[in-house]
Amino acid sequence: DAKTTQPPSMDCAEGRAANLPCNHSTISGNEYVYWYRQIHSQGPQYIIHGLKNNETNEMASLIITEDRKSSTLILPHATLRDTAVYYCIVSSAGGTSYGKLTFGQGTILTVHP
Amino acid sequence: DTAVSQTPKYLVTQMGNDKSIKCEQNLGHDTMYWYKQDSKKFLKIMFSYNNKELIINETVPNRFSPKSPDKAHLNLHINSLELGDSAVYFCASSLPGGSGYYGYTFGSGTRLTVV
Repeated sequence: DAKTTQPPSMDCAEGRAANLPCNHSTISGNEYVYWYRQIHSQGPQYIIHGLKNNETNEMASLIITEDRKSSTLILPHATLRDTAVYYCIVSSAGGTSYGKLTFGQGTILTVHP
Repeated sequence: DTAVSQTPKYLVTQMGNDKSIKCEQNLGHDTMYWYKQDSKKFLKIMFSYNNKELIINETVPNRFSPKSPDKAHLNLHINSLELGDSAVYFCASSLPGGSGYYGYTFGSGTRLTVV
């Protein structure tokens, strides 16, 4: 699976948009970009995933560049409860890895009042 | 209504003991996983089962033995526990290949402390 690079930490003011970048320059054609987050002491939580097109759900938006070498997770109106470690993961949905997710260090997002 | 449930939530045991962690999911998923999160917070996959069949077996000591009696359950048995086994163990499930709208669903974790 392709490796990802994320900033170790970011801050955001409550109510503002949080934009979390991720570089995945070695992504291959059949690999998806997944975002998960882990709130302190809890299990990771799925946020969103995409292949080529931008995606939006009730939690967030995912913007993937045209060359697919980077992406940005957007939390449109961050709240204090969004403080967590955010993981950007690249993984193929099938094949021999059978959906294996390889977690990196992630980005610690701290939302301030 | 818990989707992926693990028991126990906390486990404190002495070196050399044998212990089991249980995991059950009620999502109808075919694939289940065990992940380990160490003190440095890295999450690493240990095992993956699809419909009771072992699919992924990472470099894990053979003291760790997963067992899947049916596709809704994936238990983890650990023999001869060592200090380095202390970690948080997460169970997860997904549709085959990790696909599907909701990706993986993780349990809340089992914090294992070996003393």
